[in-house]
Parts: sequence; structure tokens; C-alpha cells
Amino acid sequence: KQEVTQIPAALSVPEGENLVLNCSFTDSAIYNLQWFRQDPGKGLTSLLLIQSSQREQTSGRLNASLDKSSGRSTLYIAASQPGDSATYLCAVSDPPGYSTLTFGKGTMLLVSP
Amino acid sequence: EAQVTQNPRYLITVTGKKLTVTCSQNMNHEYMSWYRQDPGLGLRQIYYSMNVEVTDKGDVPEGYKVSRKEKRNFPLILESPSPNQTSLYFCASSALETRFSYTFGSGTRLTVV
Repeated sequence: KQEVTQIPAALSVPEGENLVLNCSFTDSAIYNLQWFRQDPGKGLTSLLLIQSSQREQTSGRLNASLDKSSGRSTLYIAASQPGDSATYLCAVSDPPGYSTLTFGKGTMLLVSP
Repeated sequence: EAQVTQNPRYLITVTGKKLTVTCSQNMNHEYMSWYRQDPGLGLRQIYYSMNVEVTDKGDVPEGYKVSRKEKRNFPLILESPSPNQTSLYFCASSALETRFSYTFGSGTRLTVV
């Protein structure tokens, strides 16, 4: 059964720092991997989707990489801002892709002004 | 605007009183899912649906029912709610055309007393 782990569980940084969030998964035969952002008590907002055949995806200040063979993904946030404060969730879907998303427990990020 | 709409956003009910949480999507997605989110346990899948009249159990289906009579709607039914079903519930949808990138609703916070 797929398991997803996110490290660290919490992270506090000053504004302007570049940072990396880590995600690892136990079964490398994934269909895709998706990074989400969740604000307290709110829904999940999709940030980036990486297909199993891709190595990375970029959106603005965010860059997500995928190393399927080692079961790892990283989310890189450049020039962090207080508005980036949220919980970041990594989720993988196994083939065929539509049935189940397996989530990590998230990294709670606090960016201080 | 493409979205998944859940209602109600907040609900307090008593043990044993049947309730339905509605979910509707306007993106013509084939695939829909329900998740619950609990502190320390993360997000876990309750049920999913691959299309009209096709549903299957996720990781934690006990105490829940679903139906998919129309493509856009996927209600979650608690026939006899219990306090251990107090949780934050999310509905999500995806499609092959989006490479199974999931869109989530804003969540329903349910309290069973």
C-alpha cells in the first residue's frame, strides 16, 4: 500500500528565503504526483501536477521536481512571502490514475515578515 | 468559473440523524471522490466514482453511502452519524483530459454530538 511522507512537518522562515519541501513515497509505480496548498480550515488548491514521465514542473516562484526511481519529490519556493504561509500537501496517484490520491500529512509553512 | 461546490460548509447534528452533504462540479468531470481530513491522520478517501452509476469504496467507507445518478453530482450520505464521523470533508473531481489533476471543493466541517 502506497505511503507518502513529508518532511519537515513544520517550517518557519523569514521573508525572502528560498526553501525546499520534501515528499517521499514508498511505491515508485505512480501515475502522477500533485502538490496542493491548504489554508487553515479551507479547501485544497492545486499548485503543480507532475506526470510520472516528467522530471519537473514550474509555476511562477514554485518548482516541483520528481525522481520516481528514488520515490522523491521536492517543492522549491523562491523568494518566500508571508502570503505563502499555509500547509503544503503532496499527493500521489497510482495507476490507472483516477481511483485514489494518497496524501502526505503536510508541511506547515510560516513565513515571517 | 470551474469549481466543485459543497454544501453545507458547516453542519452540527446529533447522533443518528440522517444527513446528506451535497457535491456538484461544473467541469463535466467523470471522476469524483470524497475524502475526510482528521488531525494527525491526514486526508483519507471514503468513496470514489468513475462515472454515473459506478462507485467504489476508498480506505474508510464504513458508515457512509454515496450515489452518482448524474455526472455532475456526488452526494455523501451518513445514514446514522456517530461522533467519530466528526471531521472535515472534501469532495474532489478530475478527468482524463486534465491528466487526473484533482480539483477540490471548499470543504464541509461536520460535528456530530
